[in-house]
Amino acid sequence: SQKIEQNSEALNIQEGKTATLTCNYTNYSPAYLQWYRQDPGRGPVFLLLIRENEKEKRKERLKVTFDTTLKQSLFHITASQPADSATYLCALDGAGGSYIPTFGRGTSLIVHP
Amino acid sequence: KAGVTQTPRYLIKTRGQQVTLSCSPISGHRSVSWYQQTPGQGLQFLFEYFSETQRNKGNFPGRFSGRQFSNSRSEMNVSTLELGDSALYLCASSVTSGSGNEQFFGPGTRLTVL
Repeated sequence: SQKIEQNSEALNIQEGKTATLTCNYTNYSPAYLQWYRQDPGRGPVFLLLIRENEKEKRKERLKVTFDTTLKQSLFHITASQPADSATYLCALDGAGGSYIPTFGRGTSLIVHP
Repeated sequence: KAGVTQTPRYLIKTRGQQVTLSCSPISGHRSVSWYQQTPGQGLQFLFEYFSETQRNKGNFPGRFSGRQFSNSRSEMNVSTLELGDSALYLCASSVTSGSGNEQFFGPGTRLTVL
């Protein structure tokens, strides 16, 4: 069955460092991969989308890579700030042309001042 | 532009009751998707509506149903509530249906079933 794995342990880093979050998947061939940010008690907020034929995408301090051979996406936040502390979710969809988005359980990022 | 709104924000029900949740998408968005979020299962897709038609459906029992109105507003209904239905229910809107669309989520409705 399809499976998306994100590190369940919180990632603790110091302000100014680069945070790297991982999203691995199995038994899945998504056409798209998205990253969302979710703060406690709020709905997820869209950050970036990357297509299967794209290797990398950037937006300000954010960078996403998508390796369909390794079945892995890496999400980087450079020059991290305490305000970046949140849970980050990856989501896959478009496998086989269908639209049933599948979300990972998210990784909590804590940036210490 | 106003964001996605959901009402009510909090709800307490007892087992066996039914509940209706409401979602108003961003103006101009015609697709509304519903999700259930629990600590154990994460965010799970319930269904998607586009132009008043259910386009896609996740793996949930028939107790979960929904509809969309001509103004794109959507409602979700859960009948015969079970304790396990306690969750944060999120709706998300997007401009159109299909893969690869940016979704805009509402704040969610926190449902507690006693």
